[in-house]
Amino acid sequence: DAGITQSPRHKVTETGTPVTLRCHQTENHRYMYWYRQDPGHGLRLIHYSYGVKDTDKGEVSDGYSVSRSKTEDFLLTLESATSSQTSVYFCATTREGMNTEAFFGQGTRLTVV
Amino acid sequence: SQQGEEDPQALSIQEGENATMNCSYKTSINNLQWYRQNSGRGLVHLILIRSNEREKHSGRLRVTLDTSKKSSSLLITASRAADTASYFCATVPGGGSNYKLTFGKGTLLTVNP
Repeated sequence: DAGITQSPRHKVTETGTPVTLRCHQTENHRYMYWYRQDPGHGLRLIHYSYGVKDTDKGEVSDGYSVSRSKTEDFLLTLESATSSQTSVYFCATTREGMNTEAFFGQGTRLTVV
Repeated sequence: SQQGEEDPQALSIQEGENATMNCSYKTSINNLQWYRQNSGRGLVHLILIRSNEREKHSGRLRVTLDTSKKSSSLLITASRAADTASYFCATVPGGGSNYKLTFGKGTLLTVNP
């Protein structure tokens, strides 16, 4: 797992509440990514980071924000959770963008009720 | 939107048989990657093949890439029950935007003992 830890692993939250998911890596990789995985959709990129304080949007970024204040931590925040954000969230890292292999965390299963 | 599309969606074979999965994509790529996901786990990188390569091997895995047809195949030889998993192809676009790894919806491989 290349030293990638996601927390929490499971969370149930109510609609309208803020939620923060954490990804922590020990590999000193420059790039970090947040994906969501839903049945029938594969994995879709939410946000990514190419360095400390450097982030950009992916294809499904609406309703999500991210922050990266340290190389090792990448936070994903759902400002006001909705049922459509019920999903499994994966963090990934790479040394040099996506021209090298990506290492994935074990995932966070989020349920919004 | 999905760049890679795997075919078939599901494949069931007997232990010892070979398994072939195909991936088609729509636009030019920098590289194409294959990942495996065991149920409830994160994704694990298998092989990366660059756009100027035609074939790569890794143990019992063989990946081919045909850029003229915008397609790739993953061959697993002498399959084992432990190969049971979902397999995803993912593409990195050409043209310098090397941060986006776009996944297909995956092929579910079941290897029966």
